[in-house]
Amino acid sequence: EDQVTQSPEALRLQEGESSSLNCSYTVSGLRGLFWYRQDPGKGPEFLFTLYSAGEEKEKERLKATLTKKESFLHITAPKPEDSATYLCAVEAGSYQLTFGKGTKLSVIP
Amino acid sequence: DGGITQSPKYLFRKEGQNVTLSCEQNLNHDAMYWYRQDPGQGLRLIYYSQIVNDFQKGDIAEGYSVSREKKESFPLTVTSAQKNPTAFYLCASSTVGGYTFGSGTRLTVV
Repeated sequence: EDQVTQSPEALRLQEGESSSLNCSYTVSGLRGLFWYRQDPGKGPEFLFTLYSAGEEKEKERLKATLTKKESFLHITAPKPEDSATYLCAVEAGSYQLTFGKGTKLSVIP
Repeated sequence: DGGITQSPKYLFRKEGQNVTLSCEQNLNHDAMYWYRQDPGQGLRLIYYSQIVNDFQKGDIAEGYSVSREKKESFPLTVTSAQKNPTAFYLCASSTVGGYTFGSGTRLTVV
């Protein structure tokens, strides 16, 4: 059974204070690892897809990395508008996503 | 613009009543999905459909039903057999390498 664990559950940062969110996974035959951002009361917004260990992708203040067991979402010099819940999901052999419970990020001005 | 439209945004259900949530996509994606989201829990898969006229149960299908008569549409019915239906429901569609989500329907039992 595919499993995804995200940590921490919640993270409070001062504006400009860089940090990382973790997503550890156990799957048979990873097809892709996905990061989404979700604002309250809205659907998840796509950020990144990573396919193989060693892959990295960047978008503005966000950088996602992937190893064989986990992925990190690095947030550099965050701003209050980066406050959201960040979701990690994996796609394995069944062509469907298995999600972690998310990390709620709060960036304080 | 292509995307997924879920309606209504808010829905209230009385005890013992069936309700249907709408999901329409114009992305020409073959696969569509329904997820349920509860506070403090990850998204959990209810049903999915890889092609028209075919669908499979996900992890929490009991008390729900779906149909896939058209490629663009994948409605979800929450039946009276679902004992705890209050949740945020998300529809998604996918193609190779990408999943797109709708904006969700919040269902509340009154």
